[in-house]
Amino acid sequence: DTGVSQDPRHKITKRGQNVTFRCDPISEHNRLYWYRQTLGQGPEFLTYFQNEAQLEKSRLLSDRFSAERPKGSFSTLEIQRTEQGDSAMYLCASSLGTAHGYTFGSGTRLTVV
Amino acid sequence: GENVEQHPSTLSVQEGDSAVIKCTYSDSASNYFPWYKQELGKRPQLIIDIRSNVGEKKDQRIAVTLNKTAKHFSLHITETQPEDSAVYFCAASIRGGGADGLTFGKGTHLIIQP
Repeated sequence: DTGVSQDPRHKITKRGQNVTFRCDPISEHNRLYWYRQTLGQGPEFLTYFQNEAQLEKSRLLSDRFSAERPKGSFSTLEIQRTEQGDSAMYLCASSLGTAHGYTFGSGTRLTVV
Repeated sequence: GENVEQHPSTLSVQEGDSAVIKCTYSDSASNYFPWYKQELGKRPQLIIDIRSNVGEKKDQRIAVTLNKTAKHFSLHITETQPEDSAVYFCAASIRGGGADGLTFGKGTHLIIQP
């Protein structure tokens, strides 16, 4: 499968712990996005990278969240001091540019207990 | 910021009938409007999109219409089939799906009755 890959698929963590998720976009895609989706809702935009530069961050992204995309390839999303409200599906998407739609990954489902 | 409203939240139609899902957006600067289909436990998949310089776009049984004046756009599925059952999301973006990301509606659960 040459689509967008996310790892892990599922993560259960205790409140207060740190977690890190990884996204591998389609190789020729220079744009990478992180979204969060809760049950019964549409995805919510978190942050956007063009190559290695993080160009946009949603106000939903608190100081506990940080994302990186070293070398403009894969990306990581870290959540520090997790809270129960962080429980959600974290989706990564990539695209070639504004003339092209997104390809989403299958997501990482985070459960904070 | 942009706000996207989607209706209905649940739509049940007989197999073979047509289904229409409607969305409204708030920011007149929005210029890109994609639709995604998400089956249970799977990733959202782009099924069709339209830009503000076009009023209608078709792809086989799927069509999208855009009314910029009224700030609403709709998804039309004709000759519905069981595999069309899924949650459908509309979205809008100001920068053509770029740096501002997409603002999604809350989704419509489409149920195709056999």
